[in-house]
Amino acid sequence: AQSVTQLDSQVPVFEEAPVELRCNYSSSVSVYLFWYVQYPNQGLQLLLKYLSGSTLVESINGFEAEFNKSQTSFHLRKPSVHISDTAEYFCAVSPNSGNTPLVFGKGTRLSVIA
Amino acid sequence: DGGITQSPKYLFRKEGQNVTLSCEQNLNHDAMYWYRQDPGQGLRLIYYSQIVNDFQKGDIAEGYSVSREKKESFPLTVTSAQKNPTAFYLCASRNGHATNEKLFFGSGTQLSVL
Repeated sequence: AQSVTQLDSQVPVFEEAPVELRCNYSSSVSVYLFWYVQYPNQGLQLLLKYLSGSTLVESINGFEAEFNKSQTSFHLRKPSVHISDTAEYFCAVSPNSGNTPLVFGKGTRLSVIA
Repeated sequence: DGGITQSPKYLFRKEGQNVTLSCEQNLNHDAMYWYRQDPGQGLRLIYYSQIVNDFQKGDIAEGYSVSREKKESFPLTVTSAQKNPTAFYLCASRNGHATNEKLFFGSGTQLSVL
């Protein structure tokens, strides 16, 4: 079975400052990793995913995440945040074979302060 | 536009009452999922279905029931056996069964107890 730990439940940060949202996973098999974002009163949207190949993956709005197999981590980073990045961010994991559902972390609420 | 529609947006349940949350998708996706979201708890899987007329229990299925009579519809019934039903409920779908496919989410239903 897989599990995901998001160490920070809330992260406040000033506008234009860098941010890192931490995600660690546990699995006995190889995995795919995902970050989803949820804006207030909405469903989740895929932000980025790691399937294979380059361990650094990027989204279209400036976020990036790096897969680190030795540390079983998939931290999300952005060098300069905007007010519009205020949302809840969920890390998720699935095994890279079979058809089991995603397992989500508990989420990190990012609050960007003007 | 293709997508997932959840209704109603807000729902109130009286003591001892069963209520049904609707989820419809026009994405032609085979797999559909129901998640429950509580503050600080992340998303927990209630039920999922990978094909019409078949579904499996997730991690917190007790007090809930589902049906999958049509590919595009996956309604969730919250029964009177669910003693703590107040939560935000999210429906999702996925194209195919491979775990590298992203989930598409509806905009959610907030269920509250009167």
